[in-house]
Order: sequence, then structure tokens, then C-alpha cells
Amino acid sequence: EAGVTQFPSHSVIEKGQTVTLRCDPISGHDNLYWYRRVMGKEIKFLLHFVKESKQDESGMPNNRFLAERTGGTYSTLKVQPAELEDSGVYFCASSQARLSQETQYFGPGTRLLVL
Amino acid sequence: QKEVEQNSGPLSVPEGAIASLNCTYSDRVSQSFFWYRQYSGKSPELIMSIYSNGDKEDGRFTAQLNKASQYVSLLIRDSQPSDSATYLCAVNGFSDNQFYFGTGTSLTVIP
Repeated sequence: EAGVTQFPSHSVIEKGQTVTLRCDPISGHDNLYWYRRVMGKEIKFLLHFVKESKQDESGMPNNRFLAERTGGTYSTLKVQPAELEDSGVYFCASSQARLSQETQYFGPGTRLLVL
Repeated sequence: QKEVEQNSGPLSVPEGAIASLNCTYSDRVSQSFFWYRQYSGKSPELIMSIYSNGDKEDGRFTAQLNKASQYVSLLIRDSQPSDSATYLCAVNGFSDNQFYFGTGTSLTVIP
């Protein structure tokens, strides 16, 4: 069974540009999460989809970030316009059921560097 | 603000020794606790999950949970060089189903 995949693995862009990150969850997983790790800090929650619906987007930093999950399969996270402080590793995770005991399976992350 | 604290290390142990990784959390109602291992540039990989007070063993790994002290630990017996990685403690928020992570502990097992 394929794990969570993310694309691209790395992205280097200039301040003011737009970047779109993609996540493909494990097949059959209704729950999809985005997290971000800024250098030297802990991994922090951004948002949670249940199928195509945003269940919780309390971690989104500001309105420059837009996440979508059309059709309830893969998800995209767009940053527009990118700022220097957006640099970090963006992780996607998925789980099958919305239970507190449910393990979340993580993708390898997208390393974003904004210059 | 829910917090998860880990000693960032680096922690170095000789091959064959026991590595002890510790984690404390601030939210008393947290129910689920996870240890992930992350090699550089790779996905965080689940090592152990624990939900009840006490010890849970899986091979060379033992997770220990003490909800009264808000403390969870991971013991690695007979440490191997391949165990060298960053270990992330994650706590699932009871009310919001988010994972709250510590900053991770870097472990090096010296051959």
C-alpha cells in the first residue's frame, strides 16, 4: 500500500511568488492534515480536512494560505504571495477515522525556501 | 496553548545501551500519545502509540505513560546505530483531534 506522498519535495521561490504544494493521502483515508515545521521549531498544525470539507483551519497563519481538497482525494496548499517567514517543511498526514486514538501517517514533506 | 516539551538533545548512547527519551505535555485531558522516528529528510514514522497509564512494549521499544504527571517516555533497549534519528513526541488534543508535537530529540547511537 502506498503511503502519503507529497509534491514537490523541494521548492525555492522568491518573495512575492506563488507556490502550490500537493498531497496525496493514503487511499481510503478520509482525514487529511497539513502541518508545518519552521526551522528550529516544532511541527505545528495548519488544517484538517474530512473528505472535501475543512473541519478545522485554526492553524492557518493568514489569508495568504489557501488549502483545497476537491473531490475528497488529494489536497493542495497554495501560498500567495509567499513571504520569507513561510519557509519551512510542510507535512501532510492522513488517517482513516476521526478518532483521538487514530494514528496519523505522514508524508515526507515539502521543503519550501522563500528568498 | 497546548505544549509538548522534549529535551532537544543531542542524546548520545553507545551501541547496546538503553536510550531514554522523555516528553511532558500541558493539556491534562489529552488521551493519545505517539512516538515518531524521523530520519533526516524522511517522513516521521510511527514507532509507538500509547493510550493508558503504564508500560507498552513492542520489540526493543517501550513506551511509558503517566497521565497524573503528564509524562510520556520512550525506552530503546539494545540501541543500534540504525536507531540514530530524531524522535518526535506527539499528543492528540482531546477536543480538536490535532497532533501537538515536541521539537524532537536527536539520538545518536555510537558504534
